[in-house]
Amino acid sequence: GESVGLHLPTLSVQEGDNSIINCAYSNSASDYFIWYKQESGKGPQFIIDIRSNMDKRQGQRVTVLLNKTVKHLSLQIAATQPGDSAVYFCAERENYGQNFVFGPGTRLSVLP
Amino acid sequence: ETGVTQTPRHLVMGMTNKKSLKCEQHLGHNAMYWYKQSAKKPLELMFVYNFKEQTENNSVPSRFSPECPNSSHLFLHLHTLQPEDSALYLCASMGQLNTEAFFGQGTRLTVV
Repeated sequence: GESVGLHLPTLSVQEGDNSIINCAYSNSASDYFIWYKQESGKGPQFIIDIRSNMDKRQGQRVTVLLNKTVKHLSLQIAATQPGDSAVYFCAERENYGQNFVFGPGTRLSVLP
Repeated sequence: ETGVTQTPRHLVMGMTNKKSLKCEQHLGHNAMYWYKQSAKKPLELMFVYNFKEQTENNSVPSRFSPECPNSSHLFLHLHTLQPEDSALYLCASMGQLNTEAFFGQGTRLTVV
């Protein structure tokens, strides 16, 4: 199957700064994307999603941007807090199906 | 709390043992999944069930045997595992719109 990959395996940011986590995908048929957060010892937690007919979606302190032209997805976290430290995964769904392909993840470390 | 519960949270088993992992959801979702998460690897899809019927077996060895008695419960029966099967096994469920897949906390499996 097609793959989802992440540009940066690790990201360190100062507390209070904004974070940007990137994801590249290769399947042009993907129609829906999710960002997950996984803390140590826990399962992935749904953060925010976006459909392919949108290019931006905002949540509480998080924004997801989708650029279908270059097949790129990003997660922006505003005013990053220590509790944001985790591994972040992007996932893509193909053609309204039930299967998701996950990227390898980016570890976000928030520095005091 | 995502509404997806997995038990046990931790399991240590010998290579000749038989054990089972359990997952249940009371979200009214129709699709349930088993994923394997190994260190430094993306989440690997193992099995998908939709309305109790298996719709995906992602070339998983027969020492892993899934069972889905109803739409709320999913099991993964383990038999004659290898040390390389040690991983975090994650269950997820998804509703009929095929969006917002929710994960359980996972079972950390160690094969000795």
